[in-house]
Amino acid sequence: DAMVIQNPRYQVTQFGKPVTLSCSQTLNHNVMYWYQQKSSQAPKLLFHYYDKDFNNEADTPDNFQSRRPNTSFCFLDIRSPGLGDAAMYLCATQPLGREYFDEQFFGPGTRLTVL
Amino acid sequence: SQQGEEDPQALSIQEGENATMNCSYKTSINNLQWYRQNSGRGLVHLILIRSNEREKHSGRLRVTLDTSKKSSSLLITASRAADTASYFCATAPSGSRLTFGEGTQLTVNP
Repeated sequence: DAMVIQNPRYQVTQFGKPVTLSCSQTLNHNVMYWYQQKSSQAPKLLFHYYDKDFNNEADTPDNFQSRRPNTSFCFLDIRSPGLGDAAMYLCATQPLGREYFDEQFFGPGTRLTVL
Repeated sequence: SQQGEEDPQALSIQEGENATMNCSYKTSINNLQWYRQNSGRGLVHLILIRSNEREKHSGRLRVTLDTSKKSSSLLITASRAADTASYFCATAPSGSRLTFGEGTQLTVNP
């Protein structure tokens, strides 16, 4: 089945130790999103790619970076994780030709713990 | 502040009862969407209602949209324990991307 996959599902890192989260999709969607979701809160958009065009949200900390080497894969790099970065990180995709306000397809998320 | 705000924040009902959640938003929209999130999982799209629609059904789900009041409601009929989840509304102000509300935590007791 076509889907959005996130690895790992659970990630533990140490304060200040760089960590990379990955997202892959078999939907061939051109838009990919990264969200941060803290407990009992709404998902917060960090950035998105429209094809290879990177779009950063104004309030996304510089500590967060992203790479999209091809259509299928997208990575979230946290250069120096702090305790406040512990959260669920959600990847989502959206098909080409749709507007930004149409349906998004989410992966299962990666739960990041910072010790 | 959030574009969409859900009400109530938490709802607990018995299996078989109906559950109603409300969402209010601030600016004009192209559509409004509802998503479900099971504990520790990603979001699943439930239903999309366009700004020119007033009501939409999908199985046990009924969504209404009142653009004059900038509000929407999600009704789940004959609820089941498996409906226990957080429900988020999402809107996209014109020219912008989806913004999610804070969600309603629904608990359906067997």
